[in-house]
Amino acid sequence: DSGVTQTPKHLITATGQRVTLRCSPRSGDLSVYWYQQSLDQGLQFLIQYYNGEERAKGNILERFSAQQFPDLHSELNLSSLELGDSALYFCASSAHGSHYGYTFGSGTRLTVV
Amino acid sequence: GQSLEQPSEVTAVEGAIVQINCTYQTSGFYGLSWYQQHDGGAPTFLSYNGLDGLEETGRFSSFLSRSDSYGYLLLQELQMKDSASYFCAVSVASGGSYIPTFGRGTSLIVHP
Repeated sequence: DSGVTQTPKHLITATGQRVTLRCSPRSGDLSVYWYQQSLDQGLQFLIQYYNGEERAKGNILERFSAQQFPDLHSELNLSSLELGDSALYFCASSAHGSHYGYTFGSGTRLTVV
Repeated sequence: GQSLEQPSEVTAVEGAIVQINCTYQTSGFYGLSWYQQHDGGAPTFLSYNGLDGLEETGRFSSFLSRSDSYGYLLLQELQMKDSASYFCAVSVASGGSYIPTFGRGTSLIVHP
């Protein structure tokens, strides 16, 4: 157990629907990062939150949004889902300013049918 | 933007030594990290190089040359359990944070 908790582990939904993925960071970590990993692809950075505020944005679609709550858990909302959104979605956390590794959760496997 | 290049696949035999190279082009470079990912699992941090030179952690070592925009991961005494994907990631300054940007990964296959 890495200390980063992601739920659900698996999600199957239809095109056009909306889903919410949840992440609880490791105790003491203030930063949360969301990544998308499609089949045979690297990890694509989506967005980072630090202590409740958006800090950096990557290749995140306008149909996707995220937030970090006062208890530091984060949610990634995916709407108007398309087949191409099927992927593994990972959350990672770190102590702010830490370069010595980010701790990843076990991911949510999203399948859009 | 950033770009990272690493081989798509490397094969080796148990007990051997293997080197996975990573070249990068980016602005705002801060450091190079390596992660291991077993099939469908969570990426796991292996090492970080902020300065030129070699960092050693057990059977794994990582090297960085900032002037050459190049690094590598060296795995010694290979074991079957080392079969996995290995990602290099550059840390790039963005909005007061350092965001790891990952390469496409190298699939390491270890044969008996």
